[in-house]
Amino acid sequence: GEDVEQSLFLSVREGDSSVINCTYTDSSSTYLYWYKQEPGAGLQLLTYIFSNMDMKQDQRLTVLLNKKDKHLSLRIADTQTGDSAIYFCAESVGTSYGKLTFGQGTILTVHP
Amino acid sequence: EPEVTQTPSHQVTQMGQEVILRCVPISNHLYFYWYRQILGQKVEFLVSFYNNEISEKSEIFDDQFSVERPDGSNFTLKIRSTKLEDSAMYFCASSEGIGNQPQHFGDGTRLSIL
Repeated sequence: GEDVEQSLFLSVREGDSSVINCTYTDSSSTYLYWYKQEPGAGLQLLTYIFSNMDMKQDQRLTVLLNKKDKHLSLRIADTQTGDSAIYFCAESVGTSYGKLTFGQGTILTVHP
Repeated sequence: EPEVTQTPSHQVTQMGQEVILRCVPISNHLYFYWYRQILGQKVEFLVSFYNNEISEKSEIFDDQFSVERPDGSNFTLKIRSTKLEDSAMYFCASSEGIGNQPQHFGDGTRLSIL
C-alpha cells in the first residue's frame, strides 16, 4: 500500500534556503503534492509535480523528484519568517479516484 | 480566489450523538473529498464523491459515516453515533478533476467528542 514519510522538524535562519524531504513507497504514484498549513488554517496547495518530471520551479519553490529512489524534495529559496508552518507531502496513485496519501508533515521554523 | 468553506469551525458533541459537518466546495468543482487528522497523526483519506455517488472510501469510513450533496452547493459528512475516537480535525476538499487537477482544502472543522 501507499506510505509517505517526512522528517518531523527543520529549523533555518531567515534568508537561507530550506529543503524539506519526503519519501514514498508506491511506484505507481502519478502526482506528488506539497501543501502548507499555518496555525489554525487549512491545507494550502503550494505546488505539485507529475511523476514523469524531474523538477518544477515556481518562484521561490523548487520541487525535485527522484523516481528511482522515490524521493521528493521541496526547496524554499530565501526563507522568510512567514514561511514558518507545517509542510505536507502527499501522493496520488493512478488507480484511485483522487485519494491523497499524506506524510506526517514537517514543522519548519524560521529564525530571524 | 475561490475557497472551500467549512462550518462550523469547532463542534463539541456528546458521545453517541449524531453530528453533521458541512462544506461548500468551489463552485465549478466536480470531485469532493473528506479527510481527517487525529491530533498528532497523519491526515487520512475518508471518502471521495463524484456524480452524486461515493467513488472510493477508506476502511475508516464505516457504516457510521455517510456523505451527501443535498443541493447544488453543499457537501456534508454525517457521523451517526459518535465515539470518543472520532475526535479529530475534519477537512473537506474539492477538485475540478483528478490527477492534474489538485485538491483545494477548507480550513477544517475541529470535532470534539465528550
